[in-house]
Amino acid sequence: GAGVSQTPSNKVTEKGKYVELRCDPISGHTALYWYRQSLGQGPEFLIYFQGTGAADDSGLPNDRFFAVRPEGSVSTLKIQRTERGDSAVYLCASSLGHQETQYFGPGTRLLVL
Amino acid sequence: AQSVTQLDSQVPVFEEAPVELRCNYSSSVSVYLFWYVQYPNQGLQLLLKYLSGSTLVESINGFEAEFNKSQTSFHLRKPSVHISDTAEYFCAVSANDYKLSFGAGTTVTVRA
Repeated sequence: GAGVSQTPSNKVTEKGKYVELRCDPISGHTALYWYRQSLGQGPEFLIYFQGTGAADDSGLPNDRFFAVRPEGSVSTLKIQRTERGDSAVYLCASSLGHQETQYFGPGTRLLVL
Repeated sequence: AQSVTQLDSQVPVFEEAPVELRCNYSSSVSVYLFWYVQYPNQGLQLLLKYLSGSTLVESINGFEAEFNKSQTSFHLRKPSVHISDTAEYFCAVSANDYKLSFGAGTTVTVRA
């Protein structure tokens, strides 16, 4: 079946702009996660959704970052007033439940100029 | 909080030779342990995991990892690598069933 998909695959923006990154989880997966991977590092947890609600957003670096999952399926990560330090690969994962294996998407590579 | 240290950033190895990727973690509570692999131009894939029970876990493609609680380690091994094992390998821990904490990764390059 189809895996986790993320769009766009690449995004180039200018400092100060607003961006939205989309994640389509595997059908039927109730849990959804966002991670950020900076160059030379492993992924870092940002936020976890169980259904429509954010169960844990402790990894969001500041209030410029926000994520939604209004219907319990597709999720959007939103970044306001982007900064060069936001440049990274943003990964989305989903799982059947919070104790199940996380399946990762290919990521969105964000470059802030 | 949990943290993971992968002791080798790059591991070059010849085809059919053995390989070991080292992973140490720190945590004040019991953890679950994972190895993920990222092949060139692909997303992260789960290779194997330790949740409980036998401390030796195996993957379908010949990798194995052993949980050592006293040494807080979860090293990954394969007795004979193939060219197709060239990838980046990430060790990860979780204390709460969902938030994965990853190491910085180990790049394995298999040469003929």
